[in-house]
Amino acid sequence: GQSLEQPSEVTAVEGAIVQINCTYQTSGFYGLSWYQQHDGGAPTFLSYNALDGLEETGRFSSFLSRSDSYGYLLLQELQMKDSASYFCAVRDRGGGFKTIFGAGTRLFVKA
Amino acid sequence: DSGVTQTPKHLITATGQRVTLRCSPRSGDLSVYWYQQSLDQGLQFLIHYYNGEERAKGNILERFSAQQFPDLHSELNLSSLELGDSALYFCASSQDTLSRKTQYFGPGTRLLVL
Repeated sequence: GQSLEQPSEVTAVEGAIVQINCTYQTSGFYGLSWYQQHDGGAPTFLSYNALDGLEETGRFSSFLSRSDSYGYLLLQELQMKDSASYFCAVRDRGGGFKTIFGAGTRLFVKA
Repeated sequence: DSGVTQTPKHLITATGQRVTLRCSPRSGDLSVYWYQQSLDQGLQFLIHYYNGEERAKGNILERFSAQQFPDLHSELNLSSLELGDSALYFCASSQDTLSRKTQYFGPGTRLLVL
């Protein structure tokens, strides 16, 4: 079957660096994405990794290791506005390229 | 603004009723995805359409159905509604090419079943 695991909650202080991990189990991996969702809002795309390694987009970076079925999202220079839920998602060839989302990690940024 | 539109924004109805949620994808996007998000829950994938054809199905209930029309807009039909169907329903669209798989989410339809 398909499943993703990520921590339910992370707390960090403004200006710090935080890493949100995601481990996955799929029947046919086809890429790991990260989305941000503020309360009451729609998820917005942050990054996508299809190959091993680090992808950097401004203050956000995402890493993937396909051999370990593991990825992480790295947020640097945290700002209060980064307080939100972060979801990892995989595209799974099993069942015709379903998109499976993790349960989400709630990030609290403190002053 | 993602470019994906969903109507209505809010919907209040009673158990046993049927509702239709509508989604218009971003211009040029051929794929439409539907998700359900219950209170403080993650996103549950329901169904994916690509250029009018069903591509993948998640844990979508038999009471729910969807379709994508020739103009690429999509509708999600929910029937025999139950209290537990109260949730946020998002649609997302993407180009769904080899290199462009980013999903752009609409603002969602908040459904309340009383």
